[in-house]
Amino acid sequence: DAGVIQSPRHEVTEMGQEVTLRCKPISGHNSLFWYRQTMMRGLELLIYFNNNVPIDDSGMPEDRFSAKMPNASFSTLKIQPSEPRDSAVYFCAGERDGGTQYFGPGTRLTVL
Amino acid sequence: TQLLEQSPQFLSIQEGENLTVYCNSSSVFSSLQWYRQEPGEGPVLLVTVVTGGEVKKLKRLTFQFGDARKDSSLHITAAQPGDTGLYLCAGAMAYTGTASKLTFGTGTRLQVTL
Repeated sequence: DAGVIQSPRHEVTEMGQEVTLRCKPISGHNSLFWYRQTMMRGLELLIYFNNNVPIDDSGMPEDRFSAKMPNASFSTLKIQPSEPRDSAVYFCAGERDGGTQYFGPGTRLTVL
Repeated sequence: TQLLEQSPQFLSIQEGENLTVYCNSSSVFSSLQWYRQEPGEGPVLLVTVVTGGEVKKLKRLTFQFGDARKDSSLHITAAQPGDTGLYLCAGAMAYTGTASKLTFGTGTRLQVTL
């Protein structure tokens, strides 16, 4: 198994642009999590999906952030419009039935 | 907001030394997990402790969950350069169903030099 796949690995964009981050979880993992990691705030949960349904989006910073999971093998996190304070490393992680969370390698986002 | 404070934030030691990292919270968790994260990668789970007072060993790493399930410690014996990384504790609370919501600690960055 290739593990959790995230793309792109690095993204540099200008303030105001739309950014879409992608995640392919490990096959069979029915829970998917998006996290954001910064030096100031550490690793924070943004949103949690179970069986493709958003269950907890209380960590989504504001309306500029949205996440979708159209099927069990794909999820996106979109930021529109992006701002410099959104610069961070974004991780997705998958889990099966309360087991171990497996993290992807992350997407390093820089908003200029 | 549940917060987990880790100490120390940074630790630079020489190979062969022992060290302890602490994770403290005012909240009770159903379980507590420890992760190690290396540059350019996501965190990787090391261990989960569930029962108050539980002690788990993973080779040279010893993990302990506090009796009240609010705090934990990670002790490394005879540290090696391969132990270098960011160590994160995470408190787990169950969502309805099977998955758990993880609240991560502030992190301890460990560097082990020859």
